[in-house]
Order: sequence, then C-alpha cells, then structure tokens
Amino acid sequence: DIVMTQSPLSLPVTPGEPASISCRSSQSLLHNNGKNYLDWYLQKPGQSPQLLIYFASDRASGVPDRFSGSGSGTDFTLKISRVEAEDVGIYYCMHALQTPHSFGQGTKVEIK
Amino acid sequence: QVTLKESGPALVKPTQALTLTCSFSGFSLSTPGMRVHWIRQPPGQALEWLARIDWNDDKFYSSSLKSRLTISKDTSKNQVVLRMTNMDPVDTATYYCARMLSAWGLDYWGQGMLVTVSS
Repeated sequence: DIVMTQSPLSLPVTPGEPASISCRSSQSLLHNNGKNYLDWYLQKPGQSPQLLIYFASDRASGVPDRFSGSGSGTDFTLKISRVEAEDVGIYYCMHALQTPHSFGQGTKVEIK
Repeated sequence: QVTLKESGPALVKPTQALTLTCSFSGFSLSTPGMRVHWIRQPPGQALEWLARIDWNDDKFYSSSLKSRLTISKDTSKNQVVLRMTNMDPVDTATYYCARMLSAWGLDYWGQGMLVTVSS
C-alpha cells in the first residue's frame, strides 16, 4: 500500500502571507499517462472535506487561484499565495493512483 | 445539482454489523468512470479511506479492513451501501460517502454521519 506523509502537521500562518504544505508518497504517483494522481482537500472546522486540487496541479471548480499545487513522482506541495482567514482548517493530500487509496495525516492551518 | 447523504444507525453495539446507505442525486452510477467512495474520520483524527465501487461494479477495499467490509450499489435507487461487520469502539467515527468521476478528485461529499460503537 502507498503511504502518504505530510509536513508540517501544524502550520500557524499570518493573513496575507504565503503558506506551503508538503506531501510525500512512498511510491511514485506518476501514471503512464503523464498525470500525477495526487489530490488536495481542505476540511474547514465542522464541515466535510472539499476538493482543492486534483492531478497534483489542477484546481477544482470554484477554488480561488491563490491555491496552487505542484510536484511530481513522490514529492508534492500545496501553496497558498496569500492566506486568508477563511483558509483555516485541516489540509489533506490523498493519492488516487491505485487502490487502496490513502490520505496523509493532515496539516492543521491556523491563524497566528 | 449533485448531493450525497449518508444514513444508518447512530449507535451500534460491539460485535454487531453496521450498514450505511449513501443516497445520491444529480448523477448516475451507471455513467462510465463514475465512482462512489466511503471514507471515515474518528473524532479528532485524520481521514481514512475505506472502500470504492465503480460504475461497472468493480469493488475495492482498505487492506486493513477488507475482511470486514462489503460495498454494493443499487443503480435504480441511486444508492450505495457499505456493510462493516464485527464493530468495535475504535470504529467510532464520522462516515462519509463521496463521488469521483474518473480520477478527477472527490468532488462532492456527503455531510457525514457519526456512528458510535458502545454497549
């Protein structure tokens, strides 16, 4: 099974400043179609998770462009260009390359 | 408009089986590439992927829970059912169902249902 590891697990942020979360997989998530099967989700307090990024860098519908995803193979990054107060919550990466799928441990983003 | 909603018992006793139903609208599970997943989240903990069923009735399970899980679908009723046997207090969690089209992410989620395992 593929193991997903996120860092940091806690990230205090200042509104207006950038933020970055790392996700590493125990095996390459690069499919032979050239796409990396890596998603990013945000779970806001008291809510169901919401999709931010799929295929490592494709923003989901309605997601602000301050969110961006990058990386390939086993190393991936989610970046928020300028954090807003509404971005607080727990961010998860998940691989969809094969089954079983799996999530990272989550990164809790909170305002300083 | 796509919606999903989980239903089932809020409380089950240890050793009992749990049956959860995901009722959805706004899409069809007979559409090629369509998939419905189950994910759970123990209180204060991370998300855990459980199972997936595809439009062609392919089924996939968590390695650690495979012996206890069964996923099925009723396309005519727009429902997906997850059954988990031999429930234990550590299975106390919020259970979510979510939709995925091809591999384009889990784009719609249910509101989640808290299931407590206690005698």
